[in-house]
Amino acid sequence: KAGVTQTPRYLIKTRGQQVTLSCSPISGHRSVSWYQQTPGQGLQFLFEYFSETQRNKGNFPGRFSGRQFSNSRSEMNVSTLELGDSALYLCASSFSSGRATDTQYFGPGTRLTVL
Amino acid sequence: GNSVTQMEGPVTLSEEAFLTINCTYTATGYPSLFWYVQYPGEGLQLLLKATKADDKGSNKGFEATYRKETTSFHLEKGSVQVSDSAVYFCALSPWKAAGNKLTFGGGTRVLVKP
Repeated sequence: KAGVTQTPRYLIKTRGQQVTLSCSPISGHRSVSWYQQTPGQGLQFLFEYFSETQRNKGNFPGRFSGRQFSNSRSEMNVSTLELGDSALYLCASSFSSGRATDTQYFGPGTRLTVL
Repeated sequence: GNSVTQMEGPVTLSEEAFLTINCTYTATGYPSLFWYVQYPGEGLQLLLKATKADDKGSNKGFEATYRKETTSFHLEKGSVQVSDSAVYFCALSPWKAAGNKLTFGGGTRVLVKP
């Protein structure tokens, strides 16, 4: 079974631009979560989508948004990029039986650099 | 709010040495606890997990026991190999939470030398 895939793997943008990242979950998985990883703040939860609806949200500004499609693929968008948005963005999928013990499987991440 | 604290690295060991990485958490009730590992240039891989007090998770020679009384989930391995060099993250999933929202510790970099 193929793992979680993220595209693109690397991105370079300039301040003020916007960017869209894509995540394809493991087949059959219905939940997709996004995390931001930076050296200073570590791993922080952005949001989770389930059945095309945002189910959980972290403490990030409204410039960060996401969506999920009917095939469970997800995109996240960051508008008006700032230097501090440079990070590794990780996507994770899970089957989501509704239990807290669901295991999340992570993709390799998209490395975003904002100049 | 929920939080996870783990020992700062880097931890440098010789091959076949004993590894311990401390992890403590703050959360209400009985969260689920996880250890993830991140190898250079890769995403996170689940190493092991425990979902209730006194559970022991184990995988690839690594072990961790869920200690409710000390709110801890320390990771141990009896004999490390060079291939265990990576960053290790302790994480929790809130008790009775709807959906997935992991809170991570800061990560501990482990370097195993031959």
